[in-house]
Amino acid sequence: KQEVTQIPAALSVPEGENLVLNCSFTDSAIYNLQWFRQDPGKGLTSLLLIQSSQREQTSGRLNASLDKSSGRSTLYIAASQPGDSATYLCAVKGKGDSSYKLIFGSGTRLLVRP
Amino acid sequence: DAGVIQSPRHEVTEMGQEVTLRCKPISGHDYLFWYRQTMMRGLELLIYFNNNVPIDDSGMPEDRFSAKMPNASFSTLKIQPSEPRDSAVYFCASSFMLGSYNEQFFGPGTRLTVL
Repeated sequence: KQEVTQIPAALSVPEGENLVLNCSFTDSAIYNLQWFRQDPGKGLTSLLLIQSSQREQTSGRLNASLDKSSGRSTLYIAASQPGDSATYLCAVKGKGDSSYKLIFGSGTRLLVRP
Repeated sequence: DAGVIQSPRHEVTEMGQEVTLRCKPISGHDYLFWYRQTMMRGLELLIYFNNNVPIDDSGMPEDRFSAKMPNASFSTLKIQPSEPRDSAVYFCASSFMLGSYNEQFFGPGTRLTVL
């Protein structure tokens, strides 16, 4: 059974700092991995999707990497800003019977202090 | 496109009442997903549809929960009778498949409180 873990659960950094959020998964048989952002009381916004054949994806100040063999992904945020404060969730889409399911981690709650 | 639309955004009801949550997926998407988010259990998939047909409802917690998709642009999630432990945020998401590409887009959610 696929399990997704995110560390740390919460992170507080000063504005301008570069930071890394971690995601690990137990079953490497995945189609893709997706990073989401969730603001308080809001829905999920997709940030980046990495296919299983890819190593990384970039969008602006965000860079996500994927190491499928070790079951790890990282989300790198460069030059953090107070507007980046949110909860960041990673989710994997598995193969086989659960091939259309997204399995979510519990999220990392990020606070960027001005 | 306006994205995935959910209604109502907030619902407060009393235990034992019927609750119906609604979702309009993004036009052209052929997959629709219902999720529930709680502090204790995080985000859980309840059920998903492909071309209006329920494919996997193994996440539906019990018979009090039911979901329908009468057409490509509308789905409902019904709880009857509701219980306080059903209090959560319910999200609807949609996607389309192109090979293995399958990015899900989420609605704003319905915050349900059962008293």
